[in-house]
Amino acid sequence: GAVVSQHPSRVICKSGTSVKIECRSLDFQATTMFWYRQFPKQSLMLMATSNEGSKATYEQGVEKDKFLINHASLTLSTLTVTSAHPEDSSFYICSARGGTMETQYFGPGTRLLVL
Amino acid sequence: GDSVTQMEGPVTLSEEAFLTINCTYTATGYPSLFWYVQYPGEGLQLLLKATKADDKGSNKGFEATYRKETTSFHLEKGSVQVSDSAVYFCALFTGGGNKLTFGTGTQLKVEL
Repeated sequence: GAVVSQHPSRVICKSGTSVKIECRSLDFQATTMFWYRQFPKQSLMLMATSNEGSKATYEQGVEKDKFLINHASLTLSTLTVTSAHPEDSSFYICSARGGTMETQYFGPGTRLLVL
Repeated sequence: GDSVTQMEGPVTLSEEAFLTINCTYTATGYPSLFWYVQYPGEGLQLLLKATKADDKGSNKGFEATYRKETTSFHLEKGSVQVSDSAVYFCALFTGGGNKLTFGTGTQLKVEL
């Protein structure tokens, strides 16, 4: 199957700093990318959907100014958590889908800990 | 709207036992159905999928059949192993929604 990578896999930062997470599709062109947040022992919560070259569409309740998403190319999307606070600590997972593909492929996730 | 209902876990089984994880769905149109697996500390991996009624998805000994009449996509495996311990997510996709709708996940624990 298709491969999606994320970097970093784990990050610890101080409160008030910003953190950028990268998501790459390695062997296909991802026309659509998704960012999810997962709390311990819970399902995935979709944060936003982005199409290459367009502004991301955020789900209700997700602050677009806090979670900046950029999908500038067909193989790369980034999520920047701005002015991070301890409550932003979570497991963030990206997912990608190609133009004619129905299946979404997921990255390995990034564990963020804000101190 | 679209929704997926999974049986609550955790499900605890002995090695070589038979596994069933129930999944039912509600959707407008004709969804594609998926099972994803998440091992501890990792992202989700596609386990199997079915795109139309009566299709059977299979992979690594796991199977699920798309049952339109009962709106179900139950996951089965004849003989589980300790390495199958993970969280299993049922999901559906419809073109109208343009995104996956997930169930809440079912944790499977397999013991020796």
